Amino acid sequence: GAVVSQHPSRVICKSGTSVKIECRSLDFQATTMFWYRQFPKQSLMLMATSNEGSKATYEQGVEKDKFLINHASLTLSTLTVTSAHPEDSSFYICSATRQGRIHNEQFFGPGTRLTVL
Amino acid sequence: RKEVEQDPGPFNVPEGATVAFNCTYSNSASQSFFWYRQDCRKEPKLLMSVYSSGNEDGRFTAQLNRASQYISLLIRDSKLSDSATYLCVGMDSSYKLIFGSGTRLLVRP
Repeated sequence: GAVVSQHPSRVICKSGTSVKIECRSLDFQATTMFWYRQFPKQSLMLMATSNEGSKATYEQGVEKDKFLINHASLTLSTLTVTSAHPEDSSFYICSATRQGRIHNEQFFGPGTRLTVL
Repeated sequence: RKEVEQDPGPFNVPEGATVAFNCTYSNSASQSFFWYRQDCRKEPKLLMSVYSSGNEDGRFTAQLNRASQYISLLIRDSKLSDSATYLCVGMDSSYKLIFGSGTRLLVRP
């Protein structure tokens, strides 16, 4: 089946540093990837849509200058949390869409747990 | 009002029980629907797609009623390993997923 990887799986950093998270589709090409954030006991919230070769589309309330997204190839999207603060601590999950004959499926990466001290 | 609404539960059932989850959606732009399963501190995993004609996969049966904007998931003969959070999810034409808040299931011995 389709596999999406994320790296790193866990990161602890000091307040004010920037953290880069990579999302890769391993056995299919994905023109569209999505970045989500999940706080404890809450559902996933879409942050942005990452489009290969063009600018990302951000959801309302998500600061594009703080969460930088780059989708440089059909298999890789990166999310950079700039100047991270404790309130940015969360579980960040990416997903990639695989286009099928009948319908399209999204596959999720294993997530990155970010803790900002 | 949330676009996808679910009863958060928890549903606490004995092993072997049949349990049903319901979900309603308000965004008619959603074209496809899915049930995902999420274990604690893990990513969601696709359980099954949902079709108007209904679909069954082993002990799991899903149904979509577009007229009522209602989606259901039935789990028969519950196993301990079914304990998880079940997410009702819609997808729009741009492949955006809209998640419900999830229904927590606890299956006890």
